[in-house]
Amino acid sequence: AQKITQTQPGMFVQEKEAVTLDCTYDTSDPSYGLFWYKQPSSGEMIFLIYQGSYDQQNATEGRYSLNFQKARKSANLVISASQLGDSAMYFCAMRDGSGGSYIPTFGRGTSLIVHP
Amino acid sequence: DTGVSQDPRHKITKRGQNVTFRCDPISEHNRLYWYRQTLGQGPEFLTYFQNEAQLEKSRLLSDRFSAERPKGSFSTLEIQRTEQGDSAMYLCASSFAGIAGNTIYFGEGSWLTVV
Repeated sequence: AQKITQTQPGMFVQEKEAVTLDCTYDTSDPSYGLFWYKQPSSGEMIFLIYQGSYDQQNATEGRYSLNFQKARKSANLVISASQLGDSAMYFCAMRDGSGGSYIPTFGRGTSLIVHP
Repeated sequence: DTGVSQDPRHKITKRGQNVTFRCDPISEHNRLYWYRQTLGQGPEFLTYFQNEAQLEKSRLLSDRFSAERPKGSFSTLEIQRTEQGDSAMYLCASSFAGIAGNTIYFGEGSWLTVV
């Protein structure tokens, strides 16, 4: 079963506007972590933000925030004030204790294009 | 630079040849992961180590693939008798311990093209 679902293959946003990238997850483990990564065309995976399942507040890192809705099993990434350099693939990932291994599982990604 | 480093960054090889990739994790990290990524897909788990012990292997890791982490520091991923289907980016990542909250950090990846 797919653990991470990213339903938006591609998104477009105008520079300086905010954009939300969707991510839903599936786990029965009460302890888990959710991550977002950015992958520019050069290939490296850049860590953006982390949310723990027990965290009471939504995580924020600069222009990135994670809209964590636990009951809906949703962990959407919000990028405020988009910049041209934000154009990249964005991957949602989850690590839970299934099988005791805590191996991160990734979604298929969303391509974000920021246009002037 | 104290991030995860991978070498080589790019490798073109002929079908049937063997290739080896190296990964140097962040020094204090005891977990090391290998992932494979093909075009249009997210990273897919291959294997991981805790210190020098290889604790889990994906079914994607056929018997042509072998990974080692001999002293619990750097790791190598070898692909024997390469096939065109092995063309992908091979990503290495590291983290500390095994709790859910510890972030994994990736290297820049090693692109493999099998011709």
